[in-house]
Amino acid sequence: EDQVTQSPEALRLQEGESSSLNCSYTVSGLRGLFWYRQDPGKGPEFLFTLYSAGEEKEKERLKATLTKKESFLHITAPKPEDSATYLCAVQTSASKLTFGTGTRLQVTL
Amino acid sequence: ETGVTQSPTHLIKTRGQQVTLRCSSQSGHNTVSWYQQALGQGPQFIFQYYREEENGRGNFPPRFSGLQFPNYSSELNVNALELDDSALYLCASSLGGGVPTGELFFGEGSRLTVL
Repeated sequence: EDQVTQSPEALRLQEGESSSLNCSYTVSGLRGLFWYRQDPGKGPEFLFTLYSAGEEKEKERLKATLTKKESFLHITAPKPEDSATYLCAVQTSASKLTFGTGTRLQVTL
Repeated sequence: ETGVTQSPTHLIKTRGQQVTLRCSSQSGHNTVSWYQQALGQGPQFIFQYYREEENGRGNFPPRFSGLQFPNYSSELNVNALELDDSALYLCASSLGGGVPTGELFFGEGSRLTVL
């Protein structure tokens, strides 16, 4: 069975303090790995798609990377508005995404 | 361009009752997926619809059923509600002709509480 594990469960950073979130996965046949952001009471918002080991994607202060067993979401010089839950998901079939439980990020002044 | 809209936003039911949740997909999107998100957990895949047919299903019992209409809108029906069905139900639409890229556009969800 496909498994996605995210760590840490929660992370508190000061504004400007860079860090990384981890997503490790065990799947049979990866079609793609996705990062989403979810604000409280809202649906997830798509951030990145990664398809193969070595691939990197960037958007503003976020950078996602992929290896054969894990993905990292690097946050550079975060701001309070980056506070959210970050979800990682893998696609192994034509229809289904398997999500991790997320990392709750809080960025304080 | 309108996004994914879901209704109702909140509802309370009692155990054993039935519920219908509705979703309008983003303009131009022909594939709709439903996910269940319990508090503190990631979304779990319920099923996906393409061209009014179910073309993928997660580990949910048959009392979870759905429909997709010609305009690509969708319904999720849950019969014989149980306490554990309390969750945020998320609808997501995508392009891809039934094989989504994984870039899903989610609605804000319907928060169901079962008492």
